[in-house]
Amino acid sequence: AQKITQTQPGMFVQEKEAVTLDCTYDTSDPSYGLFWYKQPSSGEMIFLIYQGSYDQQNATEGRYSLNFQKARKSANLVISASQLGDSAMYFCAMSSLDTGRRALTFGSGTRLQVQP
Amino acid sequence: GAVVSQHPSRVICKSGTSVKIECRSLDFQATTMFWYRQFPKQSLMLMATSNEGSKATYEQGVEKDKFLINHASLTLSTLTVTSAHPEDSSFYICSAEKQDSGNQPQHFGDGTRLSIL
Repeated sequence: AQKITQTQPGMFVQEKEAVTLDCTYDTSDPSYGLFWYKQPSSGEMIFLIYQGSYDQQNATEGRYSLNFQKARKSANLVISASQLGDSAMYFCAMSSLDTGRRALTFGSGTRLQVQP
Repeated sequence: GAVVSQHPSRVICKSGTSVKIECRSLDFQATTMFWYRQFPKQSLMLMATSNEGSKATYEQGVEKDKFLINHASLTLSTLTVTSAHPEDSSFYICSAEKQDSGNQPQHFGDGTRLSIL
């Protein structure tokens, strides 16, 4: 079984500042993927960044970076230079990399509000 | 990029109505599609895994006779909520996985807001 924990229901950040959204996970799968999605109020799920369990380097995608600490089972999302448009719900998710079990397990989410 | 189309985006209907939601992969073949449900202020929960040409796999607690899933082609999966009641009101969202996608992320549709009166 997989479990994702996001302990921050809500976060505030000033525009242009960096913010870290926490995510810890638990799984018995030997290989897995970790994802972050953004969900604006309109509801669509926007993929942000991916980290594989065997990847040696932390993933980066533009202003997003993933601080992956495998021993601690954490996969925190760092957003640099926050923008007003970053205000949204953010979900951490994981899936097994086993072909037959690729559904995503989501955390409870963090609502980020960027203040001008 | 890969696009998943979900239709309709919003449905409001009376209790007892059956509602069909379509999920299409527009520019890729998807052997597997996933259906999630999201209640207000909650996270996404997997309802079922839809496999092309075979029966869907439902998560524990999801009634397969109430939520009918059909995945008749490599680009289309449908979810039918049969005899919907107010407690079925929710946000339903599908995702599709490209064939041989390796570690690529799933691609989500834009979701369907279902409101049962």
